Amino acid sequence: SQTIHQWPATLVQPVGSPLSLECTVEGTSNPNLYWYRQAAGRGLQLLFYSVGIGQISSEVPQNLSASRPQDRQFILSSKKLLLSDSGFYLCAWTLGSVFHEQYFGPGTRLTVT
Amino acid sequence: GESVGLHLPTLSVQEGDNSIINCAYSNSASDYFIWYKQESGKGPQFIIDIRSNMDKRQGQRVTVLLNKTVKHLSLQIAATQPGDSAVYFCAETERGNDYKLSFGAGTTVTVRA
Repeated sequence: SQTIHQWPATLVQPVGSPLSLECTVEGTSNPNLYWYRQAAGRGLQLLFYSVGIGQISSEVPQNLSASRPQDRQFILSSKKLLLSDSGFYLCAWTLGSVFHEQYFGPGTRLTVT
Repeated sequence: GESVGLHLPTLSVQEGDNSIINCAYSNSASDYFIWYKQESGKGPQFIIDIRSNMDKRQGQRVTVLLNKTVKHLSLQIAATQPGDSAVYFCAETERGNDYKLSFGAGTTVTVRA
C-alpha cells in the first residue's frame, strides 16, 4: 500500500532563516505531488504541484520554492522566512489522471518567530 | 478568491442524528466535487466525490447531493458518531484543470454525546 511521509512534524524558525520541508511517497511510481498551506481555521491553499521529476508548477507567487529531485520526493524551500509563512504545510499525492482523489501526508506545523 | 464556500463554519450534532453539511459553488465549469475530513492536527482524508454529471452518490454512511441548478452541494452523514467530529471541506476541480483542487474554508462538526 502507499504511504506518504512528511518531516519534520513541527518546526519553529526565526524570521530570515532558511526552510526545507521534505515529503516522500512510498509504494507507487510517478505520482503527482502537491504542496498546500493551511492557515489557522482556513481551507487549503495550493502552492505547488508536480507531474514528474523536475517539473514544478507554482500557483501562488511568494517566498517559497519547490523541487522534485527524485520521482517520489518533493521538497519545499525558502531562502528567508517571513512571519506570514507560518502555517500548516501539507503534501499530497495522486496517481495518473485521478487528480481529485488526493492523499495527504500528516503535515508540518511551521511557526516563524 | 475561493470558488467554493460553506454555509456554516460550525455544526453541532447529537450522537446518532444525521448531519448535513452544505457547500455552495460558483464555477459553472466545475468537474468533480469532493468532500474531505480533517481531524485535529492531521492531513485531510478523502471521503467521497461526485462528478458534475451526477446528482447523488452514496458511500458508507455518507451521501453527497449535487444541485446544479442552484450550485449547491451537501454531505449527509447518517447516524453521526463521535469519530465524525472533524473539520469537513468541500473542494472542486475545474474541467480542463483537474490537477488542481480548490478548497472551501471548512465546517467544524462537533458531535454531542
